[in-house]
Amino acid sequence: AQSVSQHNHHVILSEAASLELGCNYSYGGTVNLFWYVQYPGQHLQLLLKYFSGDPLVKGIKGFEAEFIKSKFSFNLRKPSVQWSDTAEYFCAVFSLSNDYKLSFGAGTTVTVRA
Amino acid sequence: KAGVTQTPRYLIKTRGQQVTLSCSPISGHRSVSWYQQTPGQGLQFLFEYFSETQRNKGNFPGRFSGRQFSNSRSEMNVSTLELGDSALYLCASRTGAGGRNEQYFGPGTRLTVT
Repeated sequence: AQSVSQHNHHVILSEAASLELGCNYSYGGTVNLFWYVQYPGQHLQLLLKYFSGDPLVKGIKGFEAEFIKSKFSFNLRKPSVQWSDTAEYFCAVFSLSNDYKLSFGAGTTVTVRA
Repeated sequence: KAGVTQTPRYLIKTRGQQVTLSCSPISGHRSVSWYQQTPGQGLQFLFEYFSETQRNKGNFPGRFSGRQFSNSRSEMNVSTLELGDSALYLCASRTGAGGRNEQYFGPGTRLTVT
């Protein structure tokens, strides 16, 4: 079955550490890629998105993601995390081959220790 | 601009009952999607409505249904509730139905089935 995979279920790190969250998808053809974040007690909100062009995209709060087409990956990075980055992070993919449904990965819980 | 609103925010129902959840999209948004979020399954796509027509449907039983009104507001109905229907139900709206239109999420309705 076609899917979106997030490799890490729970990541714990200290402030100022670098963060990288993996996301792989199995849909062929054109895809639109998203990372969403859900802070404790808050709505899901968009961190960044990729449609086309430069495969390195920058989002809010210092996050960036790199689309590697050959690896079907869209990994999220932040060079130096803060305690306020503690949240759940979701990778999501729109694909024509999936009838343009937005499919989410299982999510990665990130805990940043002060 | 007001965000996506969902009512009620919390709901407790008994097995066998039915429930209706409501979603008001961001003004000007014509597409509304519904998702079920559970700890075990993550975010699962239920269906999407665009201009009062169901455009896509996820892999859920027929007990889950929805509709969209001419003002783009949407309702989701679950009949014959089961314990496994306990979840956070999220609504998301976007301007159009294409893959490049990002979704904006509401706070969700927390449904508990006892």
